[in-house]
Parts: sequence; C-alpha cells; structure tokens
Amino acid sequence: KAGVTQTPRYLIKTRGQQVTLSCSPISGHRSVSWYQQTPGQGLQFLFEYFSETQRNKGNFPGRFSGRQFSNSRSEMNVSTLELGDSALYLCASSLGHIGGAYNEQFFGPGTRLTVL
Amino acid sequence: SQQGEEDPQALSIQEGENATMNCSYKTSINNLQWYRQNSGRGLVHLILIRSNEREKHSGRLRVTLDTSKKSSSLLITASRAADTASYFCATDTGFQKLVFGTGTRLLVSP
Repeated sequence: KAGVTQTPRYLIKTRGQQVTLSCSPISGHRSVSWYQQTPGQGLQFLFEYFSETQRNKGNFPGRFSGRQFSNSRSEMNVSTLELGDSALYLCASSLGHIGGAYNEQFFGPGTRLTVL
Repeated sequence: SQQGEEDPQALSIQEGENATMNCSYKTSINNLQWYRQNSGRGLVHLILIRSNEREKHSGRLRVTLDTSKKSSSLLITASRAADTASYFCATDTGFQKLVFGTGTRLLVSP
C-alpha cells in the first residue's frame, strides 16, 4: 500500500506570496491532518479533515486554510506569506473513525517551505 | 501550545545500552502515542497506549503509562545506531488532533 505523499517536497517563496501544498493520504483513509513544525514552536496542529469536513482547527491565523476533496486528498493554502511561516509542513492520514479515539497517524515526508 | 514535556531533551548513549525517555502531559487523554522522526523528515508511529492500559510492548520498545501522574515513558532496549532520531510523545484528548511533546533527541554511537 502506498504511503502518504506530499507535493512539493521543497518550496521557496517570498513574503506576501501565497502557497498551496498538497497531500494524498493512504488509500482508504478518510482523515487528513496538517501540522507545522518549527525549531521554536515544535509540532503544532493546523487542522483536520474527515470526509471533506473540517472537524478541528488549531490556533493559527486565517491566512492558513485547507480543504479536502471527495477522494480524501487534501490541500492547504497559506496566503500573504510571512518569514515566520518558514517551516516543515507535515500531513498525516488515518482511518479517522467517527466518535472514536484518534487513531495512529501515518505521516508524509513533509513539505519544507522557506519564505524569503 | 504543547501538552507534553519530554525529558531529557537530548540523550547520548552507546550501542547496546538502553534508552529511556519520559513524557509528562497536562490533561486527561484517550490515548498516548510515541513517534520517531529522522532528521526533519516525516514522523513514524511507534506505539499507541490507551488510557486504560499501563504497559505495552512492541519489539525492543516498552511503553508505560501512569494516568494518575500524567506521565509516560518509552524504553528502547539494546539500542542500535539506527535508533538515532528524535522521539515525540503525542496525546489524544478527544478533539481529533494530537498534541505533541517537545521531543527527545537520541544519539546512539557505535
């Protein structure tokens, strides 16, 4: 079974631009979560989608948004990039049973975003 | 914000020795999970322990959970150089997200 894939793997942008990152979950997984990892803040939860619905959102400004498509693939968008948005963005998928405890997460390799 | 604090922040041992990492958290949990990350790459799930479990084993890994103390420990026995990585605990508090700890950087020298 193919793992979680993320594209692109590396991205360099300048302040003020916007960026879209893509995540393809493991086949059969309906939940996709996004995390931001920085040396200063560690791993921070961005949002989680299940069957095209956002179920939870972390404490990030509205410049960070996401969506999930009917095939469970997900995208996240960051508008008006700031230097502090430089980070490793990780996507994770899971079965995401409704009402159940949060399952084991399968992470992709991440997209490393550098904002100049 | 981070739920978990991990201790130690960094650990350096020789191959064959055991490595123990500790994680403390703040609120009640459904389960606690441990992940490994190699050099800023994606995380790999190691083990999940539910709130009603006290100990779990998987290969050379042993995890304990003490909900009264809100703490967990990860023991890696007979460490290998390939175990060199950062290790994170993550708590599921029931809101469809994981809250990660600060991580322990483990260095295993041949």
